[in-house]
Amino acid sequence: DTEVTQTPKHLVMGMTNKKSLKCEQHMGHRAMYWYKQKAKKPPELMFVYSYEKLSINESVPSRFSPECPNSSLLNLHLHALQPEDSALYLCASRQPGGYTFGSGTRLTVV
Amino acid sequence: QKEVEQDPGPLSVPEGAIVSLNCTYSNSAFQYFMWYRQYSRKGPELLMYTYSSGNKEDGRFTAQVDKSSKYISLFIRDSQPSDSATYLCAMSINAGNNRKLIWGLGTSLAVNP
Repeated sequence: DTEVTQTPKHLVMGMTNKKSLKCEQHMGHRAMYWYKQKAKKPPELMFVYSYEKLSINESVPSRFSPECPNSSLLNLHLHALQPEDSALYLCASRQPGGYTFGSGTRLTVV
Repeated sequence: QKEVEQDPGPLSVPEGAIVSLNCTYSNSAFQYFMWYRQYSRKGPELLMYTYSSGNKEDGRFTAQVDKSSKYISLFIRDSQPSDSATYLCAMSINAGNNRKLIWGLGTSLAVNP
C-alpha cells in the first residue's frame, strides 16, 4: 500500500459546526503533515507529527486541532471555522525518497 | 526575495514539444529537491527527487540540479496533453528534529493536441 488516504473528499460546514478530517497511511512512515492549499497557491504547512508527537505547529489558529492517535492515523479537528478557512486540506507522509500526499479534503465553510 | 522562485506561467506548448521548467533558490541549506505535478483539485504527486548536483532521468522526465548556481530544472520530453497540470518545485530543509518543504509558486502547463 503506497497511498495516503484522506476522508471525506468534500466537506461543507457551517461556522458553528464541529467536524474532523481523517488521514491514513500504512507505509510505516513516522512523519506526517497537514497542509492547507488555496487556489493557485502552493501548499502551506500547518502541522508536523513525528513519531506520533506534534513537532511543528506553524502558528495555526486554535480552531484547528490536530491529533495523531497512532502511527497510521492523523486527524484534524475543526471548530468555529471562518469562510476564509475554505481550502483544500492535504495530508502527507515523509519517507526517505520524498513526501507522499493524499488527494485532499475540499472544505467549504458557509 | 522569496527563498524559492518559480515562474507561474502559464506555459502553453504543442503536443510532442520538450518542456523546460525551472526554479531558483537562495538558501544553501536546502538538502533535497523535488518536483511535484498537481492536477486540478487533486493532491501533489511526486515526480522526481534528487539531492546532488547533476541529472536524474525517469522515463520522459529529467531533473537537473546545479547547486553552485542554486538552480533546478525539470525537462519533459515528448509532452502529452495528459501532462497539462501545475508543476511545483519543492526543497527540503531541516527544522529542529524534522524537515519542512519550501515550495515554489508552481508553473501552470498546458499541452495542446
